[in-house]
Amino acid sequence: DFVMTQSPDSLAVSLGERATINCKSSQSVLSSSNNKNFLAWYQQKPGQPPKLLISWASTRESGVPDRFSGSGSGTDFTLTISSLQAEDVAVYYCQEYYATPFTFGQGTKLEIK
Amino acid sequence: EVQLVESGGGLVKPGGSLRLSCAASGFTFSQAAMSWVRQAPGKGLEWVGRIKKKSDDGTAVYAAPVQGRFTISRDDSENTLYLQMNSLKTEDTAVYYCTTYRGYMDVWGKGTTVTVSS
Repeated sequence: DFVMTQSPDSLAVSLGERATINCKSSQSVLSSSNNKNFLAWYQQKPGQPPKLLISWASTRESGVPDRFSGSGSGTDFTLTISSLQAEDVAVYYCQEYYATPFTFGQGTKLEIK
Repeated sequence: EVQLVESGGGLVKPGGSLRLSCAASGFTFSQAAMSWVRQAPGKGLEWVGRIKKKSDDGTAVYAAPVQGRFTISRDDSENTLYLQMNSLKTEDTAVYYCTTYRGYMDVWGKGTTVTVSS
């Protein structure tokens, strides 16, 4: 099974500043058949279900602000929020969907400094 | 509007059973693969299992902790997904989310809470 490790576990960033969350997979999630990374990012605000932000490591979902971006390939990935807004306070999860059982990272709690 | 609404959660004793339902609307349910994800109190997300659409053989796959105890099924005529949970353990206590599934989970319901306690 894959192990997804996020860093840091928690993060405090000032409004308007950049926030960076890392996700490392124990095995590559890059498919040789389609050259795509089977990696998604989710945002979960308090009391709400998770929301898909990014699929295929870097494809933003419709309606997701462009301050959110995903990057990386193989085993190392990053979610970047370019200019933190108050509404971005949440827990963020990465997830591999390369193979079952699909595994989530432990989550990164993002707060305002 | 695409919507998933879970129901059926509640309090059950260890060893008991419960069936969760997920009513889907706003999309062609029969053409969607579906999954269940759970979240224990104060914890992270845990994938429970997924079921393919019938035209892709309709099979279900499960996470190891629930294999043999949980069964995912679907009724395309009722646009409903089910999660039959048997031999429940205290560690199954969680909010259970129904999701559409493309490998990643793109649409999520609000969840239903299952508490396993004596």
